[in-house]
Amino acid sequence: GNSVTQMEGPVTLSEEAFLTINCTYTATGYPSLFWYVQYPGEGLQLLLKATKADDKGSNKGFEATYRKETTSFHLEKGSVQVSDSAVYFCALSRPQAGTALIFGKGTTLSVSS
Amino acid sequence: DAGVIQSPRHEVTEMGQEVTLRCKPISGHDYLFWYRQTMMRGLELLIYFNNNVPIDDSGMPEDRFSAKMPNASFSTLKIQPSEPRDSAVYFCASSLRAQLQRAGYTFGSGTRLTVV
Repeated sequence: GNSVTQMEGPVTLSEEAFLTINCTYTATGYPSLFWYVQYPGEGLQLLLKATKADDKGSNKGFEATYRKETTSFHLEKGSVQVSDSAVYFCALSRPQAGTALIFGKGTTLSVSS
Repeated sequence: DAGVIQSPRHEVTEMGQEVTLRCKPISGHDYLFWYRQTMMRGLELLIYFNNNVPIDDSGMPEDRFSAKMPNASFSTLKIQPSEPRDSAVYFCASSLRAQLQRAGYTFGSGTRLTVV
């Protein structure tokens, strides 16, 4: 079946540290991949996306590369800020148009100054 | 564009009472999704609609839950009777079919439900 696996949290970092949040997926066909971010008390917001193999999505200093060979879409940021503290969700959309996104369980990131 | 609008933002109710959550999707979007978020289970898909028709309700936990979409601009999620274990944040999201693969969804801000 189709599924998304994220690293367990919480992830605790100091400001300006390097961030990696791992995400791997299982899917038939060629899904699109997404990272969503949820700030405290808010809904999920799309952070970045990639629609085909080797695509790199980027936004607000975050990056993720769609790796078909390793079925991965790891989220990275070179220097985190306190304002990046949030829950991050990896998700995939199945190739059949019109079906729901499949989300990972989310990874909580806490950045201290 | 006002985004996906959910109401109320917070709801506190007593066990056994009926609860109705509301959602207004983005105008023109043809998909609408209801999710529930808890610490224990994370983000769970409850039901989704396409062109106002329920497509998959396999995530609805039990008969106490029901969802309707009477028109393209409004959906409700009803719990009757409510129980303390229904306490969660309920999110609505919408999307356009043609954009689903490349743009994902737009989420509302959620309704935090507390059943005491």
